[in-house]
Order: sequence, then C-alpha cells, then structure tokens
Amino acid sequence: AQSVSQHNHHVILSEAASLELGCNYSYGGTVNLFWYVQYPGQHLQLLLKYFSGDPLVKGIKGFEAEFIKSKFSFNLRKPSVQWSDTAEYFCAVTSTSGTYKYIFGTGTRLKVLA
Amino acid sequence: DTAVSQTPKYLVTQMGNDKSIKCEQNLGHDTMYWYKQDSKKFLKIMFSYNNKELIINETVPNRFSPKSPDKAHLNLHINSLELGDSAVYFCASSQGVHYGYTFGSGTRLTVV
Repeated sequence: AQSVSQHNHHVILSEAASLELGCNYSYGGTVNLFWYVQYPGQHLQLLLKYFSGDPLVKGIKGFEAEFIKSKFSFNLRKPSVQWSDTAEYFCAVTSTSGTYKYIFGTGTRLKVLA
Repeated sequence: DTAVSQTPKYLVTQMGNDKSIKCEQNLGHDTMYWYKQDSKKFLKIMFSYNNKELIINETVPNRFSPKSPDKAHLNLHINSLELGDSAVYFCASSQGVHYGYTFGSGTRLTVV
C-alpha cells in the first residue's frame, strides 16, 4: 500500500539549532516528492520539491531536502532554525504518472523556542 | 489576487443541514482537488477534477458531492451533515505533477 511516514510527530528546538525531519515513503514506481509547511492558522505552502536530477534540493527559507532512493527517504533539513519556523511540516509523494494523487504524511509539529 | 480562493472561511452549522463550499482558482491550472484535514492535522484526498472531469474519487460518503462547472471552479456540497464532518477542508490546484499544489486558505467546518 502507498504510504508516507513521518516518524517525528513533535519536535521542539531552540533558535539556531539544526533541524532534520524524517520522511520515508512506500510507493511503487517513480515518484515525485514534496515538503509543505503549514504555519499556524494558515494553508499549506510548498517548501521544496524533487522530481529528478540532483537528489539534494533547496527550497525557500533556507530549507533543503535529500532524496535517498535506496532508503526511500526524503528528509528535510535546515542548519539554523528561527522562531518563525514554528509550523507543521508535511511530506508528500506522488507518482509520475496516472492520476497524480498525493499521499501526505501525518505531519511533524515543530516548535522553535526563542 | 488570491490564487486559490475558498468561501466561506468558517462554517458553523447544525447536524442534518446541507452546505456548500466554493473554490475558485485563477492560475489556469487544469487540475483541482479537495482535501480534508482532521483534528490531528492528517490530510486526506477526497476528490480531484481534471478539466471538469472527475479523476479521483476516494472512499468518501455519498453525502459529499463535488461539482466542477468549469476548470477554474470546484465546489463541494455536503448533505445531511454529521458531527464527524467537522474538519478543515482545503481546495488545491495543480499545473502538473512536477509543480506541486497551490492550496486555498481552507474552510473550517464545525458541525454542532
């Protein structure tokens, strides 16, 4: 069955700490991978995406993610978090053909302490 | 200019009522979606339309009926509302599989 797992449900960090959020997927075939962020009370916004090429992708606001095909992982990283990064982070995967249905992970709630 | 707009933003209604949520996108995208986000923030796809044609119809009660009068609009009608329908409903659109979604700001539905 297609699924996306985000093992860290809640993460609390101090400002300037480094961040890594895990994402593993189970999906047959070639995939596209995404990270979305949802700030409190707001809609989801695209942080970054991977569909081919360099497995290390850079997104907005200093975020990056690395696609490791052998591990079925697409972990999100940021070297130094800020209080404004407090949000819910969602990993998502979709196939490269067919109906392009996205499967979202259950989300990771990040709280950054000032 | 809001790219994907949903109305209303908040909706409080009693059990058994019928309600509609409207979604419009001005991005020229061919594909639109409805997602439900529950109280635990879990996002689950409900429907997707591509150029007015239904292409994804997940296991959703028949009380939920999407309608797409044109490719810029995807509305969601819900009959006989139940307490369990309380959630945030997000509309989204997409230019294609490589581009990701553009989400609307969500409609918080509360059934009392």
